[in-house]
Amino acid sequence: GQQLNQSPQSMFIQEGEDVSMNCTSSSIFNTWLWYKQDPGEGPVLLIALYKAGELTSNGRLTAQFGITRKDSFLNISASIPSDVGIYFCAGLSTGAGSYQLTFGKGTKLSVIP
Amino acid sequence: DTGVSQDPRHKITKRGQNVTFRCDPISEHNRLYWYRQTLGQGPEFLTYFQNEAQLEKSRLLSDRFSAERPKGSFSTLEIQRTEQGDSAMYLCASSLGQGVFQPQHFGDGTRLSIL
Repeated sequence: GQQLNQSPQSMFIQEGEDVSMNCTSSSIFNTWLWYKQDPGEGPVLLIALYKAGELTSNGRLTAQFGITRKDSFLNISASIPSDVGIYFCAGLSTGAGSYQLTFGKGTKLSVIP
Repeated sequence: DTGVSQDPRHKITKRGQNVTFRCDPISEHNRLYWYRQTLGQGPEFLTYFQNEAQLEKSRLLSDRFSAERPKGSFSTLEIQRTEQGDSAMYLCASSLGQGVFQPQHFGDGTRLSIL
């Protein structure tokens, strides 16, 4: 089946630093999504990307859909303590009417005040 | 709050028992999805409904698992004869859409623990 390789697995950064994480796949995806999950809660959608090469921002977050359609990255600028959590990339391949998302294993972000 | 609602939030049961979870999607969403998430992993797709029709099932959905969405609104996921390996967070998501993909919005999940 399809797999997403998400890196890094975990990061420890100082408050105020910028963060970058990425996802790669051997398969092509039509849509890339980035979610954040806090302990005991469900994933919350951060950014959705629909087109190869697309660069989208949401406040301090910026994500890009790779032009090969096999990768995506997420940047967080000027990190703050509430950025702590697990960030997941997810890809969608809508072949044959499928709408299932394939998720990476997550990047655990810790922010040191 | 009009987000995706799941009940119960936590379920502890003995191995071999049956359990049922409920999901209430965002009210205007016609698509509903079930995922399973184990510790240290991302969510894994189980099944998907468009209105009341179950259109897709993962190979993870063994014959002990059954999902329904009888009136195209809320959905239930039942696990029969639970096993230790069923311990996980079960997440429900919903989205709008008629052909065009819309992002899935998740509930806070039901955490299942099998003793």
